[in-house]
Amino acid sequence: QKEVEQNSGPLSVPEGAIASLNCTYSDRGSQSFFWYRQYSGKSPELIMSIYSNGDKEDGRFTAQLNKASQYVSLLIRDSQPSDSATYLCAVNPNEKLTFGTGTRLTIIP
Amino acid sequence: DAGVTQSPTHLIKTRGQQVTLRCSPKSGHDTVSWYQQALGQGPQFIFQYYEEEERQRGNFPDRFSGHQFPNYSSELNVNALLLGDSALYLCASSRDGAGGNTEAFFGQGTRLTVV
Repeated sequence: QKEVEQNSGPLSVPEGAIASLNCTYSDRGSQSFFWYRQYSGKSPELIMSIYSNGDKEDGRFTAQLNKASQYVSLLIRDSQPSDSATYLCAVNPNEKLTFGTGTRLTIIP
Repeated sequence: DAGVTQSPTHLIKTRGQQVTLRCSPKSGHDTVSWYQQALGQGPQFIFQYYEEEERQRGNFPDRFSGHQFPNYSSELNVNALLLGDSALYLCASSRDGAGGNTEAFFGQGTRLTVV
C-alpha cells in the first residue's frame, strides 16, 4: 500500500464547475496535510494546509480532512482554466513531506 | 521578501560526473529539505538539514550528500551520476519548531539531465 494515494486522472471539469480532488494516506500518526499545485515544468506551489478534522476554506479552495477515514480532499469552486495543473497531496507524519503521485486536472472552457 | 532560490535552473552532466546544486531558503526559515521528482511522479524525499546537521534521510544511496551552512543555505551533491539521476531536484524550506505543522515552500527547482 502506498503511503499517499491519489487518482492520477486526468480529471476534466467544465469551467465554472466544482473540481473535487481526493487523497488517502496510510500513516495514522500523520498530523499535517497539504495540497500543492504544480504547473507543467514548474515547481510545486503550496495552496492549502489543514491540521484538524473538518473543512478549511480559502477563497475558491476548500480542504477537507477526515482522520478517522484517513482521507483528505480539495474542492475548487468556480473552476477557471488557470486551475489546470497537477495537484499534489502531501502528508507530514514525521517532519518530512510524503507526496502522492498527483492528479492532473484540466478545466474545459 | 525573497522566496526559496535554487541554482542553477538547468544542468547537463555526463554519466559518472559529480554535481552540486544550491539552495537559499526563504527569509526566516532554518530548515532545508531536498526532493527528487521524476517525470510523472510526486517529489521523493532525499534528506533534510537543520542546524547544519542531516536530520532525516530518505531512501537514497550515499552518492547523495548534502551540507547546510551557518546562513541556512544548503547544497546537494551527487557523485558518480547515473542516467537514472535525471530529474527535477527541488529544495523546500520551512521553519522548525512547529511540531510538524509547518508549511514548506519550494524553490523553482534544478532540472538535471545526465547523458
